[in-house]
Amino acid sequence: QLQLQQSGPGLVKPSQTLSLTCAISGDSVSTNSAAWNWIRQSPSRGLEWLGRTYYRSKWYNDYAVSVRSRITINPDTSKNQFSLQLNSVTPEDTAVYYCAREEIVATSAIDYWGQGTLVTVSS
Amino acid sequence: EVVLTQSPGTLSLSPGERATLSCRASQSVSSGYLAWYQQKPGQAPRLLIYGASSRATGIPDRFSGSGSGTDFTLTISRLEPEDFAVYYCHLRITFGQGTRLEIK
Repeated sequence: QLQLQQSGPGLVKPSQTLSLTCAISGDSVSTNSAAWNWIRQSPSRGLEWLGRTYYRSKWYNDYAVSVRSRITINPDTSKNQFSLQLNSVTPEDTAVYYCAREEIVATSAIDYWGQGTLVTVSS
Repeated sequence: EVVLTQSPGTLSLSPGERATLSCRASQSVSSGYLAWYQQKPGQAPRLLIYGASSRATGIPDRFSGSGSGTDFTLTISRLEPEDFAVYYCHLRITFGQGTRLEIK
């Protein structure tokens, strides 16, 4: 059974960097049949896709236009996990952050989600 | 970028009734990427339907999806108490704003 376990701080100061990690069990971050996503949810923005990383003979990243200048998603094959870094955060970045698997071959949908991490941006 | 608009915003029904939720895309889209999710308070969304009409593993057959082009529908044939939740449609990088299904 695939599981995604998120870790990282729940409180980040304005202008600093938000960092979260998603550990994968039951699949490989290097698989050719999935992409690994970060999605956030807030009352004001609803569900907002932030970006993804995936491996197709080499590593690729896609990022949402709204955060493209501030976001980095990196795979870590040695630990079978992937991470999110969001720079220069403001209170508008306060949200529940989810990591999620997008299965490419059978469903083309997000079929597994992490447990979610509430990140509050406040001094 | 495609915009997904869900209606109604809130749907009030009783257990045993039929629920029909709508998702409209701002332009014609491939139904192969249209998915529906259910979310309960404090939980991550759960995949219900993918490819517009295929049920995900373990999803009861009272849930069905249909549609093509710009108009998609999630139908719950007979509501069970556990079905009252928020439902989202999703296409690639875009989510709808959700429909809250509440007990009447």
